[in-house]
Amino acid sequence: SQTIHQWPATLVQPVGSPLSLECTVEGTSNPNLYWYRQAAGRGLQLLFYSVGIGQISSEVPQNLSASRPQDRQFILSSKKLLLSDSGFYLCAWSRGANVLTFGAGSRLTVL
Amino acid sequence: QKEVEQNSGPLSVPEGAIASLNCTYSDRVSQSFFWYRQYSGKSPELIMSIYSNGDKEDGRFTAQLNKASQYVSLLIRDSQPSDSATYLCAVVRNAGGTSYGKLTFGQGTILTVHP
Repeated sequence: SQTIHQWPATLVQPVGSPLSLECTVEGTSNPNLYWYRQAAGRGLQLLFYSVGIGQISSEVPQNLSASRPQDRQFILSSKKLLLSDSGFYLCAWSRGANVLTFGAGSRLTVL
Repeated sequence: QKEVEQNSGPLSVPEGAIASLNCTYSDRVSQSFFWYRQYSGKSPELIMSIYSNGDKEDGRFTAQLNKASQYVSLLIRDSQPSDSATYLCAVVRNAGGTSYGKLTFGQGTILTVHP
């Protein structure tokens, strides 16, 4: 069966510091991978998606970037965090059918 | 107009009752529809997917889709306190047969089932 791991689960970072969130999927090959963000009082927003190694599409302009160095690894990064980057970050995967399976999430607080 | 709209609630129903959650969407070419449940502090989990007009039943859950009215709903029969959560409606527009899981989510409806 497929499993998705996401870490760290929570982190508190100062403004201007870097960020790295990591996500890996097990039990499948060539998944579509996604980063969503859920800000307080707001819905889930798609940030990035990837259909293959090195292929990244950005949905919204922002202070974040994503990379996919391996088939089942997806990384969300920032060089300098802003207060507005606070939120609940969710990695997800799918195999063509649009059905998303989410990881447990990473709660980021920027102070 | 938001792309996917849900009543934020909270919707409160007694245990054993039917909970009815509603969602409307603006993009007429949307083809895939999903309901996710999200417990407080947790990630969303898929409850139902529906792609064709009509009803789809899975246990205590029934999803209803009406593309002409751009409306999708979720019925929960015999509601239990464990059903208390936020329910997210999600819609995807399949472009040219490619599916990238680019779901557009509503803000969610908070459901509370009281004993």
